[in-house]
Amino acid sequence: KQEVTQIPAALSVPEGENLVLNCSFTDSAIYNLQWFRQDPGKGLTSLLLIQSSQREQTSGRLNASLDKSSGRSTLYIAASQPGDSATYLCAGYFGNEKLTFGTGTRLTIIP
Amino acid sequence: DTAVSQTPKYLVTQMGNDKSIKCEQNLGHDTMYWYKQDSKKFLKIMFSYNNKELIINETVPNRFSPKSPDKAHLNLHINSLELGDSAVYFCASSPDRVRRTFGSGTRLTVV
Repeated sequence: KQEVTQIPAALSVPEGENLVLNCSFTDSAIYNLQWFRQDPGKGLTSLLLIQSSQREQTSGRLNASLDKSSGRSTLYIAASQPGDSATYLCAGYFGNEKLTFGTGTRLTIIP
Repeated sequence: DTAVSQTPKYLVTQMGNDKSIKCEQNLGHDTMYWYKQDSKKFLKIMFSYNNKELIINETVPNRFSPKSPDKAHLNLHINSLELGDSAVYFCASSPDRVRRTFGSGTRLTVV
C-alpha cells in the first residue's frame, strides 16, 4: 500500500530563518512527487513537481529534493516570511492515476 | 479568470437531504477529479473523469454520484446526506493526469 507521511503536523519558525519540511513515502517506485500549499479556506496551489529522474527542483526561495532510495522528500524554504504561513502538503504519483497525499504540515512564521 | 471554480463555497444542510456541488474548469484539461478533505486535513480521491468517462471510482458510498456533461464540468450529487459527509470537497483538473489545478473547495456541513 502506498502511503505518504508528513511529520511534524505543525511547525512554528521565527521570520527570516531557513526551514525544512519533510515527506516520506513507502513505495520507492514513485513516478514523481509534488509539493502543494494550502491557505485557509482556499484550494491547493502547486509549488514544485519533481520527476523520479530528478534529484531536486527550485523555484525562488523554495527547493524540493527527492531521494527514492530512502523514500524521502524535503521542501526547503529559505529566509522565511510571514506570507509563507500555510499548510504544506506533499503528494506522490505512483502511476495508478491517483495522487496519494500526506496529511500536511501546518507552518507558522512568527514575525 | 478562475481556472477551476466550484459552487457553492459553503453548504449547510440537514441530514437526509440531497445536494449537488458544481465544478467547472476553463483550462481545457481532459481530466477532472473530486477529492474529500476530512477534519484531519487528509485529502483523498473520490472520482476521476477523463473526457466524460469515469476512470477512478474509489470506495465511496453509492449515495455519491458524479456527473460529467462535458469535459469542462464535473458535478457531484449526494443523496441522503449523513453527518459523516461533512468535509471540504475539492474539485481539480489535470492536463496530463499528473499535475493538478485545484478549486477553492466547498465546505459541506451536515446538521
